[in-house]
Amino acid sequence: SQQGEEDPQALSIQEGENATMNCSYKTSINNLQWYRQNSGRGLVHLILIRSNEREKHSGRLRVTLDTSKKSSSLLITASRAADTASYFCATGGMDTGRRALTFGSGTRLQVQP
Amino acid sequence: GAGVSQTPSNKVTEKGKYVELRCDPISGHTALYWYRQSLGQGPEFLIYFQGTGAADDSGLPNDRFFAVRPEGSVSTLKIQRTERGDSAVYLCASSSTGSPSYEQYFGPGTRLTVT
Repeated sequence: SQQGEEDPQALSIQEGENATMNCSYKTSINNLQWYRQNSGRGLVHLILIRSNEREKHSGRLRVTLDTSKKSSSLLITASRAADTASYFCATGGMDTGRRALTFGSGTRLQVQP
Repeated sequence: GAGVSQTPSNKVTEKGKYVELRCDPISGHTALYWYRQSLGQGPEFLIYFQGTGAADDSGLPNDRFFAVRPEGSVSTLKIQRTERGDSAVYLCASSSTGSPSYEQYFGPGTRLTVT
């Protein structure tokens, strides 16, 4: 089953604009990860934020985490056409034996050149 | 190899047939995962191997699905008596047990179509 929902389901912006995607999850977590997927294949890990962190940056990416609201956001600044992809948040559970990732339903981002 | 590889990239089979999907993880990664992704959805967990053993198979939908990893490297996902509902992209991922981040490296997937 899906961990939660991404919001919005689809987003279309112009090149140079910022894109913000939100993720909500249901269970307690020890970390939250964001992945990108192009053309329905090959997920690529973007960034991981731990439950004791509130914000993390990596290049043009900024991730926030609010564990009280069980939500996270991914901000892509100065977007490029090459950022067009689906973006998924994923969590691993608190149970140390549960290494598998639980993914949200994804946000499909379209960046218009 | 440089990354996780999966074969075949596409598989079309008839309802009721048996299929095998192969995953070759990153060399040295002891953890291997299988996920299934339906159109417009996020990947859903199927099974996780630590070494040769299945540490968590709670995501397998029924007993038609089975996976092995006999030597702790290559894994094969086996589906018996395929049904049209099995059509999806099957993704494999691997990770290093020693990594504190649990980052997983995904292969390109096998698109299975059951006609």
